[in-house]
Amino acid sequence: GAVVSQHPSWVICKSGTSVKIECRSLDFQATTMFWYRQFPKQSLMLMATSNEGSKATYEQGVEKDKFLINHASLTLSTLTVTSAHPEDSSFYICSASWTGGYKRSDEQYFGPGTRLTVT
Amino acid sequence: QKEVEQDPGPLSVPEGAIVSLNCTYSNSAFQYFMWYRQYSRKGPELLMYTYSSGNKEDGRFTAQVDKSSKYISLFIRDSQPSDSATYLCAMSVAGGSYIPTFGRGTSLIVHP
Repeated sequence: GAVVSQHPSWVICKSGTSVKIECRSLDFQATTMFWYRQFPKQSLMLMATSNEGSKATYEQGVEKDKFLINHASLTLSTLTVTSAHPEDSSFYICSASWTGGYKRSDEQYFGPGTRLTVT
Repeated sequence: QKEVEQDPGPLSVPEGAIVSLNCTYSNSAFQYFMWYRQYSRKGPELLMYTYSSGNKEDGRFTAQVDKSSKYISLFIRDSQPSDSATYLCAMSVAGGSYIPTFGRGTSLIVHP
C-alpha cells in the first residue's frame, strides 16, 4: 500500500519552456502533498506543501510564480516549472501523506522522482 | 548549526557486517523520528517510524532514539549488497505542520 507515482520520470526541455510534473497517490487519498527538490549528494529541500483544494504553501526562497503547484484532487498534484532555465535542472520528488486515526502527515510516501534537465 | 546533522559518508562495509547509521539534532522539540532509504535516482522509501525514545525493530533493521543525547541510530544486521543506498534520517515535532526536517543522508556501500 501507499504507492505514489510520478510522471514523467525524466524530461529534457529547452530554456524558456514550461514543464509539468504529475504526482499521483495510487491506493490512498492524499490529504497533503509535498514537493521537494534534490541536488546530487544533497538532502531533500522542501519547496512547497499543498492540501487538496487549497493554495500551496511555499517555503521561503521558492518563487511561487515560477513553480506552480495545483492539488486539484485527493490523488493528484502537479508542479509546473514555468520559463525553465538551466539552473532549474534538478531531481524533483513529490510525496504524499494522509491524516486520520493515528496517521500523521509527517509519515510521507515518496514518488520515484523526476529528473529535469534544461538545456 | 543545522537542525539535523548526518555524516554523508560514504560508509563502506563488507557483506554480513552490522551497520550503524547516525544522526544528531539540536531541536529538543523533535518527537517523531524516521529513517528513509533512497536508491540512486529514486525517491526515498520509508523504513522506520518511531516516536520518542527507545528501540524499534523490523527484520534486520533496528531504530534507536536517545532523546537525552539528541541522537538517533539505524542498525542494519547481516548487511547485503542490496542495502547499498543513501539513508536519510528525518524528524518532526509533536504539533504544528508535521513537516519533517531531513538530514542530508549517508551513502552506504555494502561490498560482496
